[in-house]
Amino acid sequence: GQQLNQSPQSMFIQEGEDVSMNCTSSSIFNTWLWYKQDPGEGPVLLIALYKAGELTSNGRLTAQFGITRKDSFLNISASIPSDVGIYFCAGPYSGTYKYIFGTGTRLKVLA
Amino acid sequence: NAGVTQTPKFQVLKTGQSMTLQCAQDMNHNSMYWYRQDPGMGLRLIYYSASEGTTDKGEVPNGYNVSRLNKREFSLRLESAAPSQTSVYFCASGELRGNTIYFGEGSWLTVV
Repeated sequence: GQQLNQSPQSMFIQEGEDVSMNCTSSSIFNTWLWYKQDPGEGPVLLIALYKAGELTSNGRLTAQFGITRKDSFLNISASIPSDVGIYFCAGPYSGTYKYIFGTGTRLKVLA
Repeated sequence: NAGVTQTPKFQVLKTGQSMTLQCAQDMNHNSMYWYRQDPGMGLRLIYYSASEGTTDKGEVPNGYNVSRLNKREFSLRLESAAPSQTSVYFCASGELRGNTIYFGEGSWLTVV
């Protein structure tokens, strides 16, 4: 079935650095969602994207809906220790409410 | 501001036992979902309900059944638990027009 592949799988960065991650699909998506999951908790929605080319920010986070509609990108500027967690992309199969999730990017911030 | 509420939060089962995970949402959402998350893994969709009265299989439905009791509640049942079903289970609900879904805090299930 469809898969969402996220890259990188994990990353260690220094506090204050910028972070970039991406999510790719083998097929077109009409919606891209980005979530963050803290240890022991459920995923929390960060940003939702609905149009190809759309660029949306939420504080230090910026996400983009790729022009091909097969990818999306998340950037975190000036990372801080509380950015630690797992970041997931997600989207619905075309024309359905069946949301699938990417494999996740595990972020660790070194103070 | 309850959002999505799951019960129980923790459960230990013996192989072959049955149990039901309960989920309720107070956001008046039409769609509801059950996911499982294995250690170090992403979320895999078990079943979903696009609207009250409908349910559909997700990516990993085998060994599970669901019931959309009403618009608020969506339960997940394990009829005969197996160790491979040890996982964290997340319920979620979604807003049709907003095209987003929101998660509960998770239910930790161990099958021994």
